[in-house]
This record gives sequence, structure tokens and C-alpha cells, in this order.
Amino acid sequence: DGGITQSPKYLFRKEGQNVTLSCEQNLNHDAMYWYRQDPGQGLRLIYYSQIVNDFQKGDIAEGYSVSREKKESFPLTVTSAQKNPTAFYLCASARSSGLSYNEQFFGPGTRLTVL
Amino acid sequence: DQQVKQNSPSLSVQEGRISILNCDYTNSMFDYFLWYKKYPAEGPTFLISISSIKDKNEDGRFTVFLNKSAKHLSLHIVPSQPGDSAVYFCAASVVRASYDKVIFGPGTSLSVIP
Repeated sequence: DGGITQSPKYLFRKEGQNVTLSCEQNLNHDAMYWYRQDPGQGLRLIYYSQIVNDFQKGDIAEGYSVSREKKESFPLTVTSAQKNPTAFYLCASARSSGLSYNEQFFGPGTRLTVL
Repeated sequence: DQQVKQNSPSLSVQEGRISILNCDYTNSMFDYFLWYKKYPAEGPTFLISISSIKDKNEDGRFTVFLNKSAKHLSLHIVPSQPGDSAVYFCAASVVRASYDKVIFGPGTSLSVIP
């Protein structure tokens, strides 16, 4: 049963703490993505990775960090430098691009609340 | 500056009628246009796509129309069903050799009233 899992579903953090969001996929996809969703806004790209041990900043990377040590895993760390971290975080994966669009498959998301 | 716009935050439609969700974009370089559907507390799921070289794509009850001159696309759902109630994201993609950059609109919340 292939898919993407994100954990935890809900996460609470005190201001000034770093927190890591998990994302795992067993779809054998090369590309993985992290998005952030805020009310009234579309999904905004934080980081993406095309291949193991490589990742690139997206549109709103400041205050976030990632790693891609394994093909299946792409954890996101929200650092204390992120000014407004409360949001819904979505992880996605896709086959490597070719000549046509490759559908992105999304996980169920993690809702992070900073207290 | 939003490259993909959905100017209607919400839409209500009677069951059995047509739902029309609209989307506008500003960048002529997009290769594909996509619609994703999202239920609360879940990740979006891919619904339908259209290549920039086409003007219509149909999949069951869902049809997407693309008007390149107007930089406008729309999603038609016929007939609408209560299970279609969700947030619909319009998105646009630039296909590259290594990855697909996807830009999402803010979403339209569709309510189908039984």
C-alpha cells in the first residue's frame, strides 16, 4: 500500500524551539517537496529535493532546513529563526520530471502551532 | 505577486447542477495546468490536468477548459455531488528536466448543497 506519511498530525511548540516534521514515502519517487499552507493562500514551496543528498530552496526557505539522506525520507526542521511558523505543512513526492507533468502526491499534513 | 489567481474564495451550488471554478494566471511560460482537490485536514489530491497546447480535457464529470489568450482556465463539474464539497486549488507547472515547479492558487471552497 504505497503512499506518503507525515507525522505527527498535530504539533505544538514553544517559541524559540526547533521542531522536526517527518515525511516518508514508499512510492520510489525521486523528487520530494515541502509546502506551507496559510489561510487564504495557496501552497507555497519551502524546499525541494530531486535526488538523495541534494536539495534546493523554494520560495520561502528562510527559517527552515531539510535533509535528504535516504530516498524515502525528507524531514523538515522549523527553526527558531522562522518568524511565523504556525501553519499547515504538506509534504509531496513525484517521479522525476520528463516531458510531461508528473503528478505530485501529498501526505496528510502536519499542523504546527507555536504557543 | 500571485502568478496563479482564484478570485472566488467560495462557491455554493445545488446538487445536480454545474459547478464552475475559475482560475487566472499571469505567466505565459507554464506548460501544464492542474486542479487539486483538498478535504479538511488532508493533503490535496490530483484531479485533472491540461497541457498548454490543448484547450479542453475531460475526465468523467470533470472538464477543464483553457483559454490561453485570456490566460484563464476553468474547471467544470457536472453534475455536482455533495462529495465534491472541498477546496479546489488551481495550479500551474513549468516542466523541467529535473523537477516540476508547481505554483498553486489560493483555492476556492466549493459547497454542494443536497
